[in-house]
Amino acid sequence: DTGVSQNPRHKITKRGQNVTFRCDPISEHNRLYWYRQTLGQGPEFLTYFQNEAQLEKSRLLSDRFSAERPKGSFSTLEIQRTEQGDSAMYLCASSLVRQENTEAFFGQGTRLTVV
Amino acid sequence: AQSVTQPDIHITVSEGASLELRCNYSYGATPYLFWYVQSPGQGLQLLLKYFSGDTLVQGIKGFEAEFKRSQSSFNLRKPSVHWSDAAEYFCAVGAKDSNYQLIWGAGTKLIIKP
Repeated sequence: DTGVSQNPRHKITKRGQNVTFRCDPISEHNRLYWYRQTLGQGPEFLTYFQNEAQLEKSRLLSDRFSAERPKGSFSTLEIQRTEQGDSAMYLCASSLVRQENTEAFFGQGTRLTVV
Repeated sequence: AQSVTQPDIHITVSEGASLELRCNYSYGATPYLFWYVQSPGQGLQLLLKYFSGDTLVQGIKGFEAEFKRSQSSFNLRKPSVHWSDAAEYFCAVGAKDSNYQLIWGAGTKLIIKP
């Protein structure tokens, strides 16, 4: 297994455009997280899935953000009508949640720049 | 409220010197504790974790951390740092009764002096 894969690695978009990011988790992992990280900060939780079910979404998350995980495998994060404040690194992580094992494995991230 | 505090925004140490990065948490339940490292422009890599048992845990790259319940701390240590250790280090806490959601510290940037 090659680990958690995120595409694209970098995305530059004009303000107002829509963007979509993809995350392929480690194959047997049942949980998938999306985080956002800005410079000098820790990861900020956005949402997570248990299999295909989206179980929690950050209350701070704008309605312009939506995520899916069809069939409980890969996930996509879409940002509609991007704003300059959306510029950040978007991190995906996956884990196999079972007793005594909650370790999350992270992808390399997608760096979004909104111009 | 649950929280994780990394009191040092950045730390500078000389190559070959010892290192300790602090992490304090506020959590009602028995926590799971993690240290991750992030190099510039990269994702996060797990250094070590504590779930239960021996409170001194060994990780990769020569790092270790000690869980001290009485002090609500999980400090990261390394006896002799290398220039390649320069990175940002994040402490995170989770618990079964919060559905294993991780709460993150703001990170400590480690700078290595030659």
